[in-house]
Amino acid sequence: RKEVEQDPGPFNVPEGATVAFNCTYSNSASQSFFWYRQDCRKEPKLLMSVYSSGNEDGRFTAQLNRASQYISLLIRDSKLSDSATYLCVPDTGRRALTFGSGTRLQVQP
Amino acid sequence: NAGVTQTPKFRVLKTGQSMTLLCAQDMNHEYMYWYRQDPGMGLRLIHYSVGEGTTAKGEVPDGYNVSRLKKQNFLLGLESAAPSQTSVYFCASSKDGYEQYFGPGTRLTVT
Repeated sequence: RKEVEQDPGPFNVPEGATVAFNCTYSNSASQSFFWYRQDCRKEPKLLMSVYSSGNEDGRFTAQLNRASQYISLLIRDSKLSDSATYLCVPDTGRRALTFGSGTRLQVQP
Repeated sequence: NAGVTQTPKFRVLKTGQSMTLLCAQDMNHEYMYWYRQDPGMGLRLIHYSVGEGTTAKGEVPDGYNVSRLKKQNFLLGLESAAPSQTSVYFCASSKDGYEQYFGPGTRLTVT
């Protein structure tokens, strides 16, 4: 089983929409979770860290469900600039992260 | 604040040539990483370092070597480049091994 699984998308949403991505992880021992965003042909950038049940930063909310081993990212009031690939990254306990292919979001005018 | 920088930004090599990619960070981070990303794929960890003078293998270490002689620098070497090593290479650094900050990448083509 892969360490992390995400729907690759693309998710095509209109500006102003609310969109949510889910991510399931296999390592029940993972304590920390991270959402990164990666623009086309650019480096990944840390969007949000989740160390407890969830985190909120402006239009972005991450929620963690340890019992079901999934973490979600909710984006409210989508902007064109939110178009990117969103990577869900659980910690491996080895001071290294395992990145999947992510979920692609395309916000349309 | 430069963060994480990588040189060069682009490089074309012929099969069998060697080269070294340089990563530098000015955040005093202990942990540094080298990843490769092939088109449409996720990042794959090549090697990493948990401190000056240390290195460890990641998921895809074959064909690469690394050195961390100074805390701020992490070098990735290709001794004999192969077309399969055509990729985008990203370096990252981290204070604690979790929140990682990436450089802009090096686009390498091996012909």
